[in-house]
Amino acid sequence: TAGITQAPTSQILAAGRSMTLRCTQDMRHNAMYWYRQDLGLGLRLIHYSNTAGTTGKGEVPDGYSVSRANTDDFPLTLASAVPSQTSVYFCASSVDRGYGYTFGSGTRLTVV
Amino acid sequence: AQRVTQPEKLLSVFKGAPVELKCNYSYSGSPELFWYVQYSRQRLQLLLRHISRESIKGFTADLNKGETSFHLKKPFAQEEDSAMYYCALLIRSGNEKLTFGTGTRLTIIP
Repeated sequence: TAGITQAPTSQILAAGRSMTLRCTQDMRHNAMYWYRQDLGLGLRLIHYSNTAGTTGKGEVPDGYSVSRANTDDFPLTLASAVPSQTSVYFCASSVDRGYGYTFGSGTRLTVV
Repeated sequence: AQRVTQPEKLLSVFKGAPVELKCNYSYSGSPELFWYVQYSRQRLQLLLRHISRESIKGFTADLNKGETSFHLKKPFAQEEDSAMYYCALLIRSGNEKLTFGTGTRLTIIP
């Protein structure tokens, strides 16, 4: 069972460049989420999508955009990267309320 | 505002000793709480949910509404318990979202 696949695993990106982090799930979960993980700050929600065709802003959405064209894919785009976006990014999905989330393996992004 | 507090960033415990990872929350609604674990360089995994009242890998957590706490406990620590632990609160106000605490890094000393 693949679950959630994130790509790339890691990336070094020059400031000002754009990048899309990919997230694909094969569990037919309706809801998907993007979090960033930073030392001392825990996981903070960037954007979410309750179902295909809808998206919403989380706690730290600035500088990021998402789309949800279908159930399986939930890409996260940085239009013009800045060093403060250096982080580990986790994609997650959930089947239903109260069952918790399934997480991807993360993308480690370094903006220089 | 909803908030999850994990007061300890680092916790070191000797092997065989009891473990308690603290978690407090603030939420005006009916709370649903989770513990997630992240082993070194691995993805986050759900450890347990308060509604299932289960014991996973020897860990338990009881929701105390009076103290607004959901502490994670294990009577005898094992070396493989070394990991990052996150407490999370499920918010059901229209959109379902998990709010995470800042995490506690647990190190088991052999």
